[in-house]
Amino acid sequence: KNQVEQSPQSLIILEGKNCTLQCNYTVSPFSNLRWYKQDTGRGPVSLTIMTFSENTKSNGRYTATLDADTKQSSLHITASQLSDSASYICVVSDRGSTLGRLYFGRGTQLTVWP
Amino acid sequence: DVKVTQSSRYLVKRTGEKVFLECVQDMDHENMFWYRQDPGLGLRLIYFSYDVKMKEKGDIPEGYSVSREKKERFSLILESASTNQTSMYLCASSLTSGASSTDTQYFGPGTRLTVL
Repeated sequence: KNQVEQSPQSLIILEGKNCTLQCNYTVSPFSNLRWYKQDTGRGPVSLTIMTFSENTKSNGRYTATLDADTKQSSLHITASQLSDSASYICVVSDRGSTLGRLYFGRGTQLTVWP
Repeated sequence: DVKVTQSSRYLVKRTGEKVFLECVQDMDHENMFWYRQDPGLGLRLIYFSYDVKMKEKGDIPEGYSVSREKKERFSLILESASTNQTSMYLCASSLTSGASSTDTQYFGPGTRLTVL
């Protein structure tokens, strides 16, 4: 069964600290993996997307890594800011469906305290 | 910038009412999607459309229908709203889809629907 699991479910850190969010998936055959940020009451916004051949991609203070062999990804946030408080969603696409089916994780709720 | 707009941010309806949620995108995208998001469950796909008048069921289509008469507009219809359809509804669009597509899905701001 194709699944995407994220950990931790929630995380609280102090402003300026770094943190790492985890994503494990069983989606096969794998096409690509995306990280989205969703502010409370808003729609998700894309942060990064990685294909099979990419093992790291950065977007400002956000760096995503991908290990396609172990089917794991992480999102590292550097020097956190209050505006980083949001839900971070891992999304995996499979190659097996004609229209590129997306599988969503349940998200990690990050809270940054001053 | 791609813009995806949804007709309402908040909506309150009564059980049995017919409800229309509208979504408009301004970037000539082929694909449009409707999701619902519930606490602890993540996003679940209701329906998607890859062309005008074309639609495909997602994971939870029961109790919903959709309409895409124009490329830029995708409507979600609750024929007879029920309390278990109280949720956040998110519309998204992407340029293309397909098994190897890396096109970003752009999301609207969401409609929080409450059915009493």
